[in-house]
Amino acid sequence: NAGVMQNPRHLVRRRGQEARLRCSPMKGHSHVYWYRQLPEEGLKFMVYLQKENIIDESGMPKERFSAEFPKEGPSILRIQQVVRGDSAAYFCASSPSSGWSAFFGQGTRLTVV
Amino acid sequence: GESVGLHLPTLSVQEGDNSIINCAYSNSASDYFIWYKQESGKGPQFIIDIRSNMDKRQGQRVTVLLNKTVKHLSLQIAATQPGDSAVYFCAESKEGGKLIFGQGTELSVKP
Repeated sequence: NAGVMQNPRHLVRRRGQEARLRCSPMKGHSHVYWYRQLPEEGLKFMVYLQKENIIDESGMPKERFSAEFPKEGPSILRIQQVVRGDSAAYFCASSPSSGWSAFFGQGTRLTVV
Repeated sequence: GESVGLHLPTLSVQEGDNSIINCAYSNSASDYFIWYKQESGKGPQFIIDIRSNMDKRQGQRVTVLLNKTVKHLSLQIAATQPGDSAVYFCAESKEGGKLIFGQGTELSVKP
């Protein structure tokens, strides 16, 4: 039973480019969460999605960031026109329901140059 | 406001000793807490969880204690091993299941 799969593991983008981060939840999990982690800091909640719905995006920056979890395929976190401050590790977690502990993927480390 | 904080940023223990990692939370209405372990370059790994209707929960070599009176959470690791070296985060589960993480405690195990 594969865990939460994220790809790519490492992503380098130039300022102004777009970054697309993918997350496939564990089998049977319909709840997906995205978190961002800056160096030597804790994880910060960004967005919570269920299939085809954004449930809570209170942690998402107002501009340039978007997320989706389509009916088919992985969840996507999209960052447009990246800036150096977007450099961080982005983690996806999934759970079978909102009242259960979430399991995390290995993350995507985004570096903006 | 909402926050989960850890008392110490680093903890160094001798192999074989017990480790205790502490965490304070501010929202007295919180009812579900989770401890995660994060090794360098990896994602957080679930260790153990506890709900607010419990004071203590035990796993394999780990115990979580919850003191709702003082809003304090601790993780105890018995017979700490070099493989336990990592950063440990407590997390508070909010509505919908989103997690509020503390800053983390780095555990270093000396052989």
